[in-house]
Amino acid sequence: AQSVTQPDIHITVSEGASLELRCNYSYGATPYLFWYVQSPGQGLQLLLKYFSGDTLVQGIKGFEAEFKRSQSSFNLRKPSVHWSDAAEYFCAVGYLDTGGFKTIFGAGTRLFVKA
Amino acid sequence: NAGVTQTPKFRVLKTGQSMTLLCAQDMNHEYMYWYRQDPGMGLRLIHYSVGEGTTAKGEVPDGYNVSRLKKQNFLLGLESAAPSQTSVYFCASSYSRRAGHYYEQYFGPGTRLTVT
Repeated sequence: AQSVTQPDIHITVSEGASLELRCNYSYGATPYLFWYVQSPGQGLQLLLKYFSGDTLVQGIKGFEAEFKRSQSSFNLRKPSVHWSDAAEYFCAVGYLDTGGFKTIFGAGTRLFVKA
Repeated sequence: NAGVTQTPKFRVLKTGQSMTLLCAQDMNHEYMYWYRQDPGMGLRLIHYSVGEGTTAKGEVPDGYNVSRLKKQNFLLGLESAAPSQTSVYFCASSYSRRAGHYYEQYFGPGTRLTVT
């Protein structure tokens, strides 16, 4: 069965430090991969997406993610974190089946940024 | 464009009461989804629709019904609310596969529902 694992429930980084959020998935073929961000009290917003092509994808707000097929991973990175990046981040895997397109979300990683 | 809107934003129900949550999108998306979000569990798919007049069950459909009579609207109904349905509900929509789009979803702001 398809699944998404975000090993870190929460992470704290200092403002200006680099960030890496981990995501591992389980799926037999090449999945559609996404990272979304959720600020408190709001809905989710797409940061970036991947299905094919260059395995390093750029997203909004200075985020990037790298697809590594051998590790079944799609980790999110940012070179320098800003206080406004404090939010919850969700990795998701999408796939097509007989009923249409479905997306499975990880449990999320909450990012805290300290001054 | 308003994007995806949800009404109401907050609601408190007593056990056994019914209600309908309305989702509307103005992006001409084919797909629409209803999720619930509970602490530590991410988002779980309740029901979804791949087009007007069609609906399908997701991961946690029990206790909910949906309808999609118009392409832009997707309704989620609770016929007899239970405390276990206390949650934040999100609607989302997406294109089906087309150039430049990978089924990425656009989310509404959510409805916080409490069942006492």
